[in-house]
Amino acid sequence: NAGVTQTPKFQVLKTGQSMTLQCAQDMNHEYMSWYRQDPGMGLRLIHYSVGAGITDQGEVPNGYNVSRSTTEDFPLRLLSAAPSQTSVYFCASRLAGTALSYEQYFGPGTRLTVT
Amino acid sequence: AQKVTQAQTEISVVEKEDVTLDCVYETRDTTYYLFWYKQPPSGELVFLIRRNSFDEQNEISGRYSWNFQKSTSSFNFTITASQVVDSAVYFCALSEANFGNEKLTFGTGTRLTIIP
Repeated sequence: NAGVTQTPKFQVLKTGQSMTLQCAQDMNHEYMSWYRQDPGMGLRLIHYSVGAGITDQGEVPNGYNVSRSTTEDFPLRLLSAAPSQTSVYFCASRLAGTALSYEQYFGPGTRLTVT
Repeated sequence: AQKVTQAQTEISVVEKEDVTLDCVYETRDTTYYLFWYKQPPSGELVFLIRRNSFDEQNEISGRYSWNFQKSTSSFNFTITASQVVDSAVYFCALSEANFGNEKLTFGTGTRLTIIP
């Protein structure tokens, strides 16, 4: 298993540009989520999905879109990048429904800089 | 609303000393899960432990131990005989246990530096 993969690892954007951060998992996990990590702020939830076709907002959803057309993939879209979106982005996944399933598996992160 | 507080922003200790990282949480749920994650300088997040709200037994794993006290809403993490490889940022996190709810709330992290 590759686990949770994210591409790209690094990205520099100019203000106003759009891009998609890719996230994929091969563990057949129902839940997937996106977090951003900023200095002194810990990780904050952006969007999450409880299964294909179902998404919901987290703590800081503004400026980001998501969709979940397959179980494996959960892309994060920035439609018009802003410097405030400079951050490290982590994708995570986990199983659903049992007491043992609450461990989240995190991808390696994408470091995004918006100039 | 859930909240996790890690009051210690940075800690430095000399190698082989013991160190405790504090975590205090707030939640209205009676069923919840607590986690610790390690983020080494390489940047990935490494899962260390999960504890559910019904299990207040302390846990020991090698040099690591965790003390969960519901009475004080704390889930502290102790490293015994610290080593340089323990240098990292450590995050405490809290998750509701409602089926279908994905929200994991992180503390702001404690940066631990082990001085050789």
